[in-house]
Amino acid sequence: RKEVEQDPGPFNVPEGATVAFNCTYSNSASQSFFWYRQDCRKEPKLLMSVYSSGNEDGRFTAQLNRASQYISLLIRDSKLSDSATYLCVVNPRLSSARQLTFGSGTQLTVLP
Amino acid sequence: NAGVTQTPKFRVLKTGQSMTLLCAQDMNHEYMYWYRQDPGMGLRLIHYSVGEGTTAKGEVPDGYNVSRLKKQNFLLGLESAAPSQTSVYFCASSYQGSGANVLTFGAGSRLTVL
Repeated sequence: RKEVEQDPGPFNVPEGATVAFNCTYSNSASQSFFWYRQDCRKEPKLLMSVYSSGNEDGRFTAQLNRASQYISLLIRDSKLSDSATYLCVVNPRLSSARQLTFGSGTQLTVLP
Repeated sequence: NAGVTQTPKFRVLKTGQSMTLLCAQDMNHEYMYWYRQDPGMGLRLIHYSVGEGTTAKGEVPDGYNVSRLKKQNFLLGLESAAPSQTSVYFCASSYQGSGANVLTFGAGSRLTVL
């Protein structure tokens, strides 16, 4: 079983739609959680951290469910510019990047 | 402010050839990393460094060597390239401590080994 698993997609949604991605992780001791965004043939960039109480950044909402060991990303009012691959990242420690584990990504295409 | 710069961006090698990928950062980050990204797989850590003069193995270090002689530079070497090393290589850097979770990546280096 992979340490971090994501549905690879692709998710094809119309502009304005709401879309949600889930990511499951196997290490119950994981401490830190993130979503990174990667545009086609570009480098990954941090989208947002995921906090225990859930957090929102504009149209993006991240949730953490420790009991079921998954994190989610909800995108409301999708824009064409949201088309990208979304990487789930989990860290078994609070502050050691050596152990960051990346999922293989979920591909999103927002259609006009 | 350039961030993280990788050179070269593209390279084609023949099996058995050697090459060095260069990563430079201008953010005074302590930590630097080399990852590879292959289709259907997440980013995998090759080697990393927690400071000038230090290096350590990551998840997939075989076939690669690294050096960090200066704080701003992190070099990745392939001594004898193999087709299995065809990949996209990303360098990244971060602060230490709680900032270590936030990686700044370079634009990537696409390597093909024939």
